[in-house]
Amino acid sequence: KAGVTQTPRYLIKTRGQQVTLSCSPISGHRSVSWYQQTPGQGLQFLFEYFSETQRNKGNFPGRFSGRQFSNSRSEMNVSTLELGDSALYLCASSFGGRGADTQYFGPGTRLTVL
Amino acid sequence: QKEVEQNSGPLSVPEGAIASLNCTYSDRVSQSFFWYRQYSGKSPELIMSIYSNGDKEDGRFTAQLNKASQYVSLLIRDSQPSDSATYLCAVELNTGNQFYFGTGTSLTVIP
Repeated sequence: KAGVTQTPRYLIKTRGQQVTLSCSPISGHRSVSWYQQTPGQGLQFLFEYFSETQRNKGNFPGRFSGRQFSNSRSEMNVSTLELGDSALYLCASSFGGRGADTQYFGPGTRLTVL
Repeated sequence: QKEVEQNSGPLSVPEGAIASLNCTYSDRVSQSFFWYRQYSGKSPELIMSIYSNGDKEDGRFTAQLNKASQYVSLLIRDSQPSDSATYLCAVELNTGNQFYFGTGTSLTVIP
């Protein structure tokens, strides 16, 4: 079974620009979660989508948004990029059932903001 | 207080020794707990999940959960240099499908 895929793998942007990242979950998985990973803060939860609806949300500003399509693929958008947005962005997929759900991570998108 | 706390390390053990990694969590009613391994420059990969109090063994890995103490640990027996990585503890909040991660413990196994 194919794993979680993320595109692109690397991105370089400048401050003020916006960026869209894509995540395709494992076949059969309906939940997609997004995380930001930085050396100082570790893995921080951005949001989770299930059946095209945002079900959970972390403590990130509104510049960070996402959506999920009917095939469970998800995109994350960051508008008005700041230097501090430079990070590894990871998505993880799971079946999405309540309780005892296991997440599997994609390879990540490395975003550099100059 | 952070939802999940781990000692950042670094933790160094000689090859063949037992490595012990610890994690505490704040959400008393959390039900699902996970250990992930992350090699430098790679994404986290699942090692083990544990849901009930006690021990769960999988090969050289043993996860231990104590819900009363809000404590979960990972033991790696017969540590190998290939085990050198950052180990992340994750807890699924009781609300479901929202996972919090510790900042990870860096482990180095010395040949």
